[in-house]
Amino acid sequence: NAGVMQNPRHLVRRRGQEARLRCSPMKGHSHVYWYRQLPEEGLKFMVYLQKENIIDESGMPKERFSAEFPKEGPSILRIQQVVRGDSAAYFCASSTLTGADSNYGYTFGSGTRLTVV
Amino acid sequence: KQEVTQIPAALSVPEGENLVLNCSFTDSAIYNLQWFRQDPGKGLTSLLLIQSSQREQTSGRLNASLDKSSGRSTLYIAASQPGDSATYLCAVSSDTDKLIFGTGTRLQVFP
Repeated sequence: NAGVMQNPRHLVRRRGQEARLRCSPMKGHSHVYWYRQLPEEGLKFMVYLQKENIIDESGMPKERFSAEFPKEGPSILRIQQVVRGDSAAYFCASSTLTGADSNYGYTFGSGTRLTVV
Repeated sequence: KQEVTQIPAALSVPEGENLVLNCSFTDSAIYNLQWFRQDPGKGLTSLLLIQSSQREQTSGRLNASLDKSSGRSTLYIAASQPGDSATYLCAVSSDTDKLIFGTGTRLQVFP
């Protein structure tokens, strides 16, 4: 079991470009969560997805950010027209069951560190 | 709105000391609480998960307790080692399934 896989590990984009971050959940996990960690700040929830559905996107900025988790393939977090303030570490987590049923909690990937220059 | 606070924000201790890290949360309606470790520039490693019906969990030198009614959890680290140096995060999960993270405790254990 390779765990939660995120790529790339590091991503550099110029202002105005698009950033695409990928997350492959653990085998058997159907719930994916994206979190953002700004420099010197804590982790903040962005979006929660199940296969082909966005369950909770209350933490997503209203513009330029989108996420998907298709039937086949990894979950993608897309940031259009990046700005310097988007520079952060983006973490993906997956789980097998939700809330009260979860005995194993959440497993995190190693993150993608986005730098906007 | 759930808020999670961790005290102290930073801690520096000599090797061998027993430590207590504190986590408090404002809404006691949680499903579980999870402690993580984060090394600089790295991802999160899950340390312990406590379900809302449980009082504590132990793994090696780590022991985490949960007092849901008072909104508190503690992480106890016995016989600390330099390799324990990292940032420790607690996070709670509620009915919306997302994790709400605390601000973290940055721990340094020196030889």
